[in-house]
Amino acid sequence: DAMVIQNPRYQVTQFGKPVTLSCSQTLNHNVMYWYQQKSSQAPKLLFHYYDKDFNNEADTPDNFQSRRPNTSFCFLDIRSPGLGDAAMYLCATSSGTEPYNEQFFGPGTRLTVL
Amino acid sequence: GQNIDQPTEMTATEGAIVQINCTYQTSGFNGLFWYQQHAGEAPTFLSYNVLDGLEEKGRFSSFLSRSKGYSYLLLKELQMKDSASYLCAAEDSNYQLIWGAGTKLIIKP
Repeated sequence: DAMVIQNPRYQVTQFGKPVTLSCSQTLNHNVMYWYQQKSSQAPKLLFHYYDKDFNNEADTPDNFQSRRPNTSFCFLDIRSPGLGDAAMYLCATSSGTEPYNEQFFGPGTRLTVL
Repeated sequence: GQNIDQPTEMTATEGAIVQINCTYQTSGFNGLFWYQQHAGEAPTFLSYNVLDGLEEKGRFSSFLSRSKGYSYLLLKELQMKDSASYLCAAEDSNYQLIWGAGTKLIIKP
């Protein structure tokens, strides 16, 4: 089955210790997204790639970076996690066939910062 | 600015009907999505409206009025498994989704 996969599902890190979250997709979609979602809040877009064209949201902190080495994989790096970065991190993809922008989500990685 | 408003929480009874409203303000508009999100899980797609009117899909229906910037999701014959958050998202002129915070729906027996 075509899908969006995120690893790990749960990640525990220490304050200030770098962490990398990964996402892969078998949908062959052009667009990949990273969202941060805190409890009872809207998903907050951090980055998106249209193919290899990187787009950084204006209010995404410098502490967050992303890489997309190929169509299938995308990584989210948190250089120095703080307590406020504890959240669910969602990876999503879309075909990029505008205007219909249905997004397909992975199961998410729940990040805990100690 | 861009904004999505939907109620924070709603309660309904098993077997009943519930309507979840959403109003939106976006820079341009290319359609309105509804997603379901169970606690601790990722959002899953429910519906998409781009033209005015009602789209029916089994127990779920979604309505859009572009002139009013308004949509609703109608859930019929509620089941306990429908307990979840329902997120409204509007697609803006840059084809990005602007998300609401979600409506937590609690189903009681």
